[in-house]
Amino acid sequence: DAMVIQNPRYQVTQFGKPVTLSCSQTLNHNVMYWYQQKSSQAPKLLFHYYDKDFNNEADTPDNFQSRRPNTSFCFLDIRSPGLGDAAMYLCATSRDQGVFYEQYFGPGTRLTVT
Amino acid sequence: DAKTTQPTSMDCAEGRAANLPCNHSTISGNEYVYWYRQIHSQGPQYIIHGLKNNETNEMASLIITEDRKSSTLILPHATLRDTAVYYCIVRSNFGNEKLTFGTGTRLTIIP
Repeated sequence: DAMVIQNPRYQVTQFGKPVTLSCSQTLNHNVMYWYQQKSSQAPKLLFHYYDKDFNNEADTPDNFQSRRPNTSFCFLDIRSPGLGDAAMYLCATSRDQGVFYEQYFGPGTRLTVT
Repeated sequence: DAKTTQPTSMDCAEGRAANLPCNHSTISGNEYVYWYRQIHSQGPQYIIHGLKNNETNEMASLIITEDRKSSTLILPHATLRDTAVYYCIVRSNFGNEKLTFGTGTRLTIIP
């Protein structure tokens, strides 16, 4: 089945130690998104790629970066994780941002910062 | 600013219809109403969307009031697997407007 895959499902990192989360998709969608979801809160968009064009949200900290080497893969890099960055990180895709805007979400990676 | 208002939580008996309300009194003419849900420890899942007409699919029905200031998501025969947080989102389909999730309604289906 076509899907959005996130690895790993659980990631533990140390305070200040860079960490990379990965997302892949078999849907061939041209838009990919990264959301942060803290405990008991709604998902919050960090940034998205429309094809190769990177779109950062205004309030996304500089500590968060992203790479999209090809259509299928997208990475979230946290350069110096703090305790406040502990959260579920959700990757999503959509065909485009046109009339029908269904986003397909992966299962998420739960990040713990020690 | 929040575009939608939803009750924090609701309970529904298994097998009954679950009716989830959403207020969006400031909705503009080009904005659609979307519903997503998030089952515990999973990513959100699209349910349905509409502009002004009532919509139905295999998962749910969406009833939008004539003035479009509120809507109701209906799960016709709720099962335990419908226990989730349900998000009502208002979004324009023009340009690159993002999905902005509000606090949602935590729906618990009671056996």
